[in-house]
Amino acid sequence: AQKVTQAQTEISVVEKEDVTLDCVYETRDTTYYLFWYKQPPSGELVFLIRRNSFDEQNEISGRYSWNFQKSTSSFNFTITASQVVDSAVYFCALSEGAQKLVFGQGTRLTINP
Amino acid sequence: DTAVSQTPKYLVTQMGNDKSIKCEQNLGHDTMYWYKQDSKKFLKIMFSYNNKELIINETVPNRFSPKSPDKAHLNLHINSLELGDSAVYFCASSQDLGGRGYGYTFGSGTRLTVV
Repeated sequence: AQKVTQAQTEISVVEKEDVTLDCVYETRDTTYYLFWYKQPPSGELVFLIRRNSFDEQNEISGRYSWNFQKSTSSFNFTITASQVVDSAVYFCALSEGAQKLVFGQGTRLTINP
Repeated sequence: DTAVSQTPKYLVTQMGNDKSIKCEQNLGHDTMYWYKQDSKKFLKIMFSYNNKELIINETVPNRFSPKSPDKAHLNLHINSLELGDSAVYFCASSQDLGGRGYGYTFGSGTRLTVV
């Protein structure tokens, strides 16, 4: 069965610090997709990134970057120069042939001014 | 135009009542889902439909019955509501099964409170 683990339940940092959210996954499939979603206090789920299992290139989008390492089954998310607006719950998720999205437990990130 | 819209956004009801949550997507996606987010923020799939056909029923009590009149709509009816049904319910859609193509689009959620 597929599984996603976000070991950090809560993280609190001061604005402008860099912060990394960890995600470790388990799957038996060779083809799978990994996602990150942001859930701000308003409650909606905001898509951040999708990565397929054949593409191990790291990705950078502004202050956000993602490090995908198949060797360690990890898909970590880094926010550089964090801002108060980054405060949210962040979810890592895995989708494979099972046709559903399996979410990690989420990491609550608080950025303090 | 909202891509995936759910109504209502908030629903407060008494135990034992029957209620429905509606979901519509205008993205032309073939697959729709219901996810439940509990009080600890854990998100878990309940159902998925592909072109009106039930694909996944993830050990959900029989009191929950999804209905898909067409591929743009997936409604969730809940009978005999219990306190433990209080949660946020998210509707989602994807272009293909498993979101392999372009991922998933979520609605804004329906917060159900059973009192």
